[in-house]
Amino acid sequence: GAGVSQSPSNKVTEKGKDVELRCDPISGHTALYWYRQRLGQGLEFLIYFQGNSAPDKSGLPSDRFSAERTGESVSTLTIQRTQQEDSAVYLCASSQRRAGGADTQYFGPGTRLTVL
Amino acid sequence: AQSVTQLGSHVSVSEGALVLLRCNYSSSVPPYLFWYVQYPNQGLQLLLKYTSAATLVKGINGFEAEFKKSETSFHLTKPSAHMSDAAEYFCAVSDHQAGTALIFGKGTTLSVSS
Repeated sequence: GAGVSQSPSNKVTEKGKDVELRCDPISGHTALYWYRQRLGQGLEFLIYFQGNSAPDKSGLPSDRFSAERTGESVSTLTIQRTQQEDSAVYLCASSQRRAGGADTQYFGPGTRLTVL
Repeated sequence: AQSVTQLGSHVSVSEGALVLLRCNYSSSVPPYLFWYVQYPNQGLQLLLKYTSAATLVKGINGFEAEFKKSETSFHLTKPSAHMSDAAEYFCAVSDHQAGTALIFGKGTTLSVSS
């Protein structure tokens, strides 16, 4: 079946511009995560959505970052006034939330963001 | 806070040789443990996971990992490397709370030479 999809695959923007990144999770997956992968680093957690519960925003690095999710479907990550340090690959993952922390997260291919 | 340490940012092996990628976690309570692989320009793919059942976990592509509580380790092994195993490998941990985000190590790049 279809996996997690993300768009765009690549985004080049100028410093100070806003960007929106989109994630389409696997159908039926109630949990959705955003991670950031900077060059040479592991993945950093950004935000987590679970159904209609309030999202866990504890990983967002600054108030320039925000995310929304419509029900249990599409999510958008928005970065306002982009800075060069925001350059990274942004990965989205979804899971079924059947076994708590043991759930397998399925990752999309990522969006590579370059801020000039 | 939990953390994951992957020893060696880069491991090189010859085709047919043993692959050993090291992962240690810090947690007083055994967490759930995962190994993911990332091929160039692709997303992460789950290789295997430990969820407190058998301590020796077998995954895809001939990989396996053994959970050792006394050593707080979850090293990934494969008896015989193949050229197609060249990729970046990430160890990750989560706790028992539902929906907890994964905490990742910094990754190990595996190179396989012929």
